[in-house]
Amino acid sequence: GAVVSQHPSWVICKSGTSVKIECRSLDFQATTMFWYRQFPKQSLMLMATSNEGSKATYEQGVEKDKFLINHASLTLSTLTVTSAHPEDSSFYICSARAKQLWDTNYGYTFGSGTRLTVV
Amino acid sequence: AQSVSQHNHHVILSEAASLELGCNYSYGGTVNLFWYVQYPGQHLQLLLKYFSGDPLVKGIKGFEAEFIKSKFSFNLRKPSVQWSDTAEYFCAVKGNKLTFGTGTQLKVEL
Repeated sequence: GAVVSQHPSWVICKSGTSVKIECRSLDFQATTMFWYRQFPKQSLMLMATSNEGSKATYEQGVEKDKFLINHASLTLSTLTVTSAHPEDSSFYICSARAKQLWDTNYGYTFGSGTRLTVV
Repeated sequence: AQSVSQHNHHVILSEAASLELGCNYSYGGTVNLFWYVQYPGQHLQLLLKYFSGDPLVKGIKGFEAEFIKSKFSFNLRKPSVQWSDTAEYFCAVKGNKLTFGTGTQLKVEL
């Protein structure tokens, strides 16, 4: 149980275009979803936290107008990278926290990540 | 602000060798501690976690970790590694948010 599906697993886009990444909790309700960014040989950096039905909370330094997050339902959150530039190329990972805190993983389940390359 | 430090970035071991990966954190309040593993091409998976109680926690695949509060440490151990343990290991701390260390790339050679 507690599976998170992230799609697409990789995407290449042209500079200036927008890219949407989906994160779905398949067998549980995720009241909270997290979006991370991972640079090569670096840690996962939390970008934003989204709660179902409310606006996302962005970490300091993350442009909310560039990284649009929508958490419209208890099973789906999307991250849209708008007007992408080569410096946005990175590995993006979502994580979902179960409604019931005492889930198998105590609520944190990760997607498989999306490799974004902007050319 | 909370932070997590993993001391070893790359570790190479032979099969059957013992493993210890260091993790130190800084945070002024109560923390929850995690070790995650990421096998090549796969998503992060939880190895073990500490919330409270016995500071020596056992996880999956023979891994264990010990929380030493006085040292702000949560080191990961395994007495005898296998080739299939080749992966990247992340220590994570949850204070007011979940923060990850930079990861340790473990390679186990036959």
